[in-house]
Amino acid sequence: EAGVTQFPSHSVIEKGQTVTLRCDPISGHDNLYWYRRVMGKEIKFLLHFVKESKQDESGMPNNRFLAERTGGTYSTLKVQPAELEDSGVYFCASSPLGGLTEAFFGQGTRLTVV
Amino acid sequence: AQSVTQPDIHITVSEGASLELRCNYSYGATPYLFWYVQSPGQGLQLLLKYFSGDTLVQGIKGFEAEFKRSQSSFNLRKPSVHWSDAAEYFCAVGALGGGATNKLIFGTGTLLAVQP
Repeated sequence: EAGVTQFPSHSVIEKGQTVTLRCDPISGHDNLYWYRRVMGKEIKFLLHFVKESKQDESGMPNNRFLAERTGGTYSTLKVQPAELEDSGVYFCASSPLGGLTEAFFGQGTRLTVV
Repeated sequence: AQSVTQPDIHITVSEGASLELRCNYSYGATPYLFWYVQSPGQGLQLLLKYFSGDTLVQGIKGFEAEFKRSQSSFNLRKPSVHWSDAAEYFCAVGALGGGATNKLIFGTGTLLAVQP
């Protein structure tokens, strides 16, 4: 079974440009999460989808970040326009709905804004 | 406020030595606790988890952790470290079920180096 897959693994963009990160969760997982780790700090929650609906987006830094999960399958996280402080590693995770289970993480996308 | 503290940013141990990574949490509800590991170039992999029951939990790769409610701790241990254990380790706490968002709160991580 394929795990959580994230594209691209690395991205280097200039300040002011737009970047779109993609996450393909484990098939059948209705919960999908985005997290971010800024260098040297903790991994922080950004938002949570249940199927295609945003359950909790309390961690989104500002309105330059837009997450979507059309059709309840893969998700994208767009940053527009990117700022220097957006640099970090963006993790996606998924889990099944209901029951006690852990989240399964992807390998992350390292975003560098220069 | 909900938080997780990993007091040790870097730890270096010799191969074959024992290891203990500390984790303390502050959480208002019944905590569900996790240890994840990130090896170089890899994603976050679950080492072990505590939901309920026996407070000493066994994980993969020979790791174990003990939940101590009175100390709000969930320290990770391994009796004999292997060179392949060099990685960054993250403690996390979360709420599961009951309509909660299920989001995790992570510590800042502990970077483990293993000396030959």
